Amino acid sequence: EAQVTQNPRYLITVTGKKLTVTCSQNMNHEYMSWYRQDPGLGLRQIYYSMNVEVTDKGDVPEGYKVSRKEKRNFPLILESPSPNQTSLYFCASSLFGQMNTEAFFGQGTRLTVV
Amino acid sequence: DQQVKQNSPSLSVQEGRISILNCDYTNSMFDYFLWYKKYPAEGPTFLISISSIKDKNEDGRFTVFLNKSAKHLSLHIVPSQPGDSAVYFCAASARGYSTLTFGKGTMLLVSP
Repeated sequence: EAQVTQNPRYLITVTGKKLTVTCSQNMNHEYMSWYRQDPGLGLRQIYYSMNVEVTDKGDVPEGYKVSRKEKRNFPLILESPSPNQTSLYFCASSLFGQMNTEAFFGQGTRLTVV
Repeated sequence: DQQVKQNSPSLSVQEGRISILNCDYTNSMFDYFLWYKKYPAEGPTFLISISSIKDKNEDGRFTVFLNKSAKHLSLHIVPSQPGDSAVYFCAASARGYSTLTFGKGTMLLVSP
């Protein structure tokens, strides 16, 4: 089954404690990206990757890091989480380099930073 | 500055009637538009898309209309069903740019 898998689904952490949210896709997609969803703000792109070892900033990259060492994985790293990073995070992947095609989203990771 | 706007946070429709969800955009570079549907506790799922070379695309009960001169698109659902109750996101992309810009979403409630 084609899918994008994020882990964990829920996470509560304390300010400053480094964390990683994993994302894996089994569709051999080149393009992967991370979004955060906040009330009244919709989905905003954090980082994206067009292929292995190619990453770039989206609209709200501050406080986040990513890596793309393998095609299937695209982890999101918060080196020093802060309460304003409390949000619902989604990973997405698509076949082509540009997002003018169907993107598949993961189930989401609800992160709370206290 | 928000480039993709969904000005109606919510919409209520009776089952069997038409649902019309609207989306406006400001960036004239956008050339591809998509609608995603999102249920609670799930990720968004692709619904339908339209290229700027078209003004209409239809898929079953779902039709998207694009008015480039007005920078406006709309999603029509006919007939609406209770299972259509979800948040609908409008999204846009521009050729040569590797990002997808989303609107804030419209919550659709279809009552029996």
